[in-house]
Amino acid sequence: DAKTTQPNSMESNEEEPVHLPCNHSTISGTDYIHWYRQLPSQGPEYVIHGLTSNVNNRMASLAIAEDRKSSTLILHRATLRDAAVYYCILRASGGTSYGKLTFGQGTILTVHP
Amino acid sequence: DAGVIQSPRHEVTEMGQEVTLRCKPISGHNSLFWYRQTMMRGLELLIYFNNNVPIDDSGMPEDRFSAKMPNASFSTLKIQPSEPRDSAVYFCASSLRSGATDTQYFGPGTRLTVL
Repeated sequence: DAKTTQPNSMESNEEEPVHLPCNHSTISGTDYIHWYRQLPSQGPEYVIHGLTSNVNNRMASLAIAEDRKSSTLILHRATLRDAAVYYCILRASGGTSYGKLTFGQGTILTVHP
Repeated sequence: DAGVIQSPRHEVTEMGQEVTLRCKPISGHNSLFWYRQTMMRGLELLIYFNNNVPIDDSGMPEDRFSAKMPNASFSTLKIQPSEPRDSAVYFCASSLRSGATDTQYFGPGTRLTVL
């Protein structure tokens, strides 16, 4: 499975933008980039996903490098409720790992008031 | 929609006892996943079903673990006999399908403690 590398932790202030980086230098051409987050004492929840183009939804934006070897999850205005572990995951669209979500260690985001 | 429902939310049992965790997926979803989360190993996929059929159980740790999905609205994960190292939070998730773009919706988890 292609691997992702994320910083162990990041900090932000409330109402400021947050850029969460993810490196995935071994990504294959058909792997989708997904982001999930896990709030304290809850199950993971979907944030956003993309393949090649940048994506926006109500929760966040996903910026994907042109060579697809890295991506950045952007929270435009962090709130205290955004404090969570953020997971960057590559999902294969074929082969034995088809569709699997393989969670790494993620980035612990702390948001200060 | 009520989301994915798991029961019990907390389970404390003694080593050697049988433990059964239950999951009700979101109505209409055809894929169901069981995960385990520990501090040491993080979130691991144990098994997943498509249309009630087990597709990949390569993550099931050993024969003490078994999972069933008798119908589209119910699944169980059973541990018999349980051991202290099975202590973890067990999550169930469901999705419309199991493809690379299908969002998985997770339940609140069952926190299992084996004494």
